[in-house]
Amino acid sequence: DAKTTQPPSMDCAEGRAANLPCNHSTISGNEYVYWYRQIHSQGPQYIIHGLKNNETNEMASLIITEDRKSSTLILPHATLRDTAVYYCIVRVVGNTGKLIFGQGTTLQVKP
Amino acid sequence: AAGVIQSPRHLIKEKRETATLKCYPIPRHDTVYWYQQGPGQDPQFLISFYEKMQSDKGSIPDRFSAQQFSDYHSELNMSSLELGDSALYFCASSPPPGRSYQETQYFGPGTRLLVL
Repeated sequence: DAKTTQPPSMDCAEGRAANLPCNHSTISGNEYVYWYRQIHSQGPQYIIHGLKNNETNEMASLIITEDRKSSTLILPHATLRDTAVYYCIVRVVGNTGKLIFGQGTTLQVKP
Repeated sequence: AAGVIQSPRHLIKEKRETATLKCYPIPRHDTVYWYQQGPGQDPQFLISFYEKMQSDKGSIPDRFSAQQFSDYHSELNMSSLELGDSALYFCASSPPPGRSYQETQYFGPGTRLLVL
């Protein structure tokens, strides 16, 4: 699976949008971009995933660049409960493939 | 909605003892994954099962073994425990392969293993 690069940490004010970037310049055509988050020692929580189109669900939006070499996870109105480590993972779908977690971004939402 | 169930949630063992961790996937999920997360580290893949057969293997020590049963639950057996095995162990499950959204992995709350 392709590797991803994320900033180690970011801060965000409560109520503001949190924009978390991810670089995946070696992504293959059949690899999806997945986002998970882990709130202190809890099980990783699925957020969203996409292939090439932008995606939105009740938790977040995922913006993928046209060349698919990078993406941004957007939490539209961050709350203190969104403080967590956010992982961007690329993964081939269709082979029950494992998730390879990188270092992730620690997002600190501040009052 | 039903989630992945892991038991026990906490486990304390002595060195050289054995431990068995259990994972009950979300209903109708047929693939199970095991991950290990050491202190201050990111989760690392150990092993996975699809339809009761091992589908992939990561950096799992030879002292560890796992299997998936006919009801799709899985057990991770750990023998000759070492201090370095102290970690969080997560199980995840996913539905049958197919459309992308169906292969999303959903994680359980984890088992915290402490080896003394």
